[in-house]
Amino acid sequence: AQKITQTQPGMFVQEKEAVTLDCTYDTSDPSYGLFWYKQPSSGEMIFLIYQGSYDQQNATEGRYSLNFQKARKSANLVISASQLGDSAMYFCAMREGLSGSGNTGKLIFGQGTTLQVKP
Amino acid sequence: GAVVSQHPSRVICKSGTSVKIECRSLDFQATTMFWYRQFPKQSLMLMATSNEGSKATYEQGVEKDKFLINHASLTLSTLTVTSAHPEDSSFYICSAPGPAAAGELFFGEGSRLTVL
Repeated sequence: AQKITQTQPGMFVQEKEAVTLDCTYDTSDPSYGLFWYKQPSSGEMIFLIYQGSYDQQNATEGRYSLNFQKARKSANLVISASQLGDSAMYFCAMREGLSGSGNTGKLIFGQGTTLQVKP
Repeated sequence: GAVVSQHPSRVICKSGTSVKIECRSLDFQATTMFWYRQFPKQSLMLMATSNEGSKATYEQGVEKDKFLINHASLTLSTLTVTSAHPEDSSFYICSAPGPAAAGELFFGEGSRLTVL
């Protein structure tokens, strides 16, 4: 079963507008972390934002915010005031077993969403 | 932030040759490193977990003899693609957990392998 699902292969957004990239996950582990990475055409992976399963508040980092709905197992990324430089592929990822010996550290990635910002 | 350096960034080789890719943590020690493979427009697929001082842990379906992983020190892991064939052409990217217990993974720049 897919652990991380991104249902939007591609998205368009007008410059300066906000956009939401969807991510749902599946885990039975009570302790996990959710990540969003940006991958421009150069291939590098750029960390954007992190949400822990026990965090009470939604994570925010500048123009990025994570809409964490634990009961629905969703962790959508919201980018406000889109810029042309935001055009890239975006990946949602999950790391399970953060507590105890189960902390292997490996990230499981979703399929990715290609975002194109229109001028 | 923590820095992971990967080399080479691009490599072109003939079919049948072996290619070595290095992944170094520059300003922190990494007892564990992860190797991912990515085809164009697709997700990152975990190939193996590299463990300093012990054997690598491979994901299901990944050929151990094809993709040799050596974690020689606390700052260096290498991936060797042995007897490379055109179907091995891909983007290979390494990563290492940062110092924080639940922190992000820090990624290398990636290596684009083209096998002719």
